[in-house]
This record gives sequence, C-alpha cells and structure tokens, in this order.
Amino acid sequence: QQQVKQSPQSLIVQKGGISIINCAYENTAFDYFPWYQQFPGKGPALLIAIRPDVSEKKEGRFTISFNKSAKQFSLHIMDSQPGDSATYFCAASKGNTGKLIFGQGTTLQVKP
Amino acid sequence: NAGVTQTPKFQVLKTGQSMTLQCAQDMNHNSMYWYRQDPGMGLRLIYYSASEGTTDKGEVPNGYNVSRLNKREFSLRLESAAPSQTSVYFCASREIGGSQETQYFGPGTRLLVL
Repeated sequence: QQQVKQSPQSLIVQKGGISIINCAYENTAFDYFPWYQQFPGKGPALLIAIRPDVSEKKEGRFTISFNKSAKQFSLHIMDSQPGDSATYFCAASKGNTGKLIFGQGTTLQVKP
Repeated sequence: NAGVTQTPKFQVLKTGQSMTLQCAQDMNHNSMYWYRQDPGMGLRLIYYSASEGTTDKGEVPNGYNVSRLNKREFSLRLESAAPSQTSVYFCASREIGGSQETQYFGPGTRLLVL
C-alpha cells in the first residue's frame, strides 16, 4: 500500500518554465510534508517543507501548495534552471518520530 | 563537520554472505535512520533509532538488523544476503529546529547481491 503517491514519474521543462510535481497522501494523521532533492550519486537533501496549518510556503523559486481537504500537496519550481535537473521526492510523517514515507520520485530535466 | 558518513561506498556480496553497513554522524543528533532506495519505489525506511540504545522497525525490516552503538554510530547488518536486497542504502540523522525537521543523508552504499 503506497501511502504517498507522486506524479509524474518524469518531467521535461524548458529553461525559465514552471515545473510542477504533485503528491497525494492517504493518512490524515500525517503532519509534516517535506520535499527532498537528489542529484545522481548523492544522498537526498531537504529542499522545502510544510505543516498542514498553512496552505502555501515559498522559499525563493520553490513553493509548496497544500490542500488539506483533498489530501494533496505540490511542489512548484518557478523559472526552472538546468541546475534544477534532479530527482525530487515528496514525503510525509506523523508525530515526532521523523519516520518519513516517501513518494516514488520524479526525475526532472530542465532543457537549456 | 563531515555530516553523515557511510562505509563502504560499494559492495558486492554472494547470496548468503553477511555484511555490516556503517554509518556515523558528527552533528550530535539523537535520531538516526536507515533507508533503502530502489528504482520506482522511492526511499523506504528499514529501521530507525530515536536515541542511543533504542531501535524500532520501519516499513521493510525483514532480513536486517541494526545496532545503535552510541550517539554517533548506527549500523545495519545483513545476516544472510539475498538478491532482493540489492539496493542503495542511505543512512540519515535528524535535526529538529522549531517547526522544521531536517534529515541529513549520507552519500549511500551501493550493494549488489549475486
């Protein structure tokens, strides 16, 4: 049972465009929703995260939109750059254990 | 600060062999985690440790054991490796600051079981 479903599996965007990655979750007890970025051969690194008491969080070109009623959240990358080409994972956790449930990942390619 | 370090970087095992993956962090974090990453499946939690001396199962613990040796070190052991355990293994430690939690991941261990 996949508790966090991520789409699309892969995404190609032109430089300067907007990249949008979506995630849906099932467990309403989840209370922390981070996005991780992973470059080839490296470990994932935290990009941005949100808690369900807000509907949007923005850090630079990266924005999380959160829809609690729909149990969905998304990552928007504005003005996408070739350096943003990486694999992106959404995740969710509940309580204070930090046990993350990850989505399947999205491979983003930004074409120059 | 080295952050989270993992050894070895790459390992080839034959079915039935055993090995221990080592992980250490120098950030004084209490919580540490072991994940495996497989194509199309994201990362899945194998075991975690909330603090020195405590461990708990994650999503996919079968075939693995862990030891939280001290606050710095968290090892993952495969007692009898199987081809299904071919994967990339990541160790992570967690920092909590206000409402933000950050898991810092190591560079990974690539394991091939023949």
